[in-house]
Amino acid sequence: KAGVTQTPRYLIKTRGQQVTLSCSPISGHRSVSWYQQTPGQGLQFLFEYFSETQRNKGNFPGRFSGRQFSNSRSEMNVSTLELGDSALYLCASSKDRNTEAFFGQGTRLTVV
Amino acid sequence: KNEVEQSPQNLTAQEGEFITINCSYSVGISALHWLQQHPGGGIVSLFMLSSGKKKHGRLIATINIQEKHSSLHITASHPRDSAVYICAVGRGADGLTFGKGTHLIIQP
Repeated sequence: KAGVTQTPRYLIKTRGQQVTLSCSPISGHRSVSWYQQTPGQGLQFLFEYFSETQRNKGNFPGRFSGRQFSNSRSEMNVSTLELGDSALYLCASSKDRNTEAFFGQGTRLTVV
Repeated sequence: KNEVEQSPQNLTAQEGEFITINCSYSVGISALHWLQQHPGGGIVSLFMLSSGKKKHGRLIATINIQEKHSSLHITASHPRDSAVYICAVGRGADGLTFGKGTHLIIQP
């Protein structure tokens, strides 16, 4: 059974640009959640999608957005990148809320 | 005060030792997760608990809902257990809230 796949693994962007990250969940999983990990703040919840609907959003500015497609694949977008957006972005898939979550390897974003 | 507190922050032990990592939380939860993160970033889910105790190989996780406390134990520790162990709590509609992690080093 294939795991959660995140692409790309590494990304370098310039301040002011935008970026799109992709997450393909485990087959049959309809819930995809996104997290940001930084050395200072640790892991923080960004948002959760279930059946193409955003169910919940963490405390992040509107520059952070996402969507989920009918095949459960999800993308997150960060516009007008800032240096502080440099982080490891992780997605996790699960069958539903409060079931076991399976994490991808993450996308390491560096903003210069 | 963080909603999820882990202790210790850092732990260095000798191979073979019994390891305990603690997690306390301050809110009602629907489930508690123990996660393992190796250098390079990938996270592996070790346990999801809502009550009692679970065991998988040399790993044991317990939770006391009344005391809002969970422990992760590693028996017969091995250098390959060296990683960051993260406690996370789920509260229904909210996403997971994470502890800061415990950096574990097992020396041969």
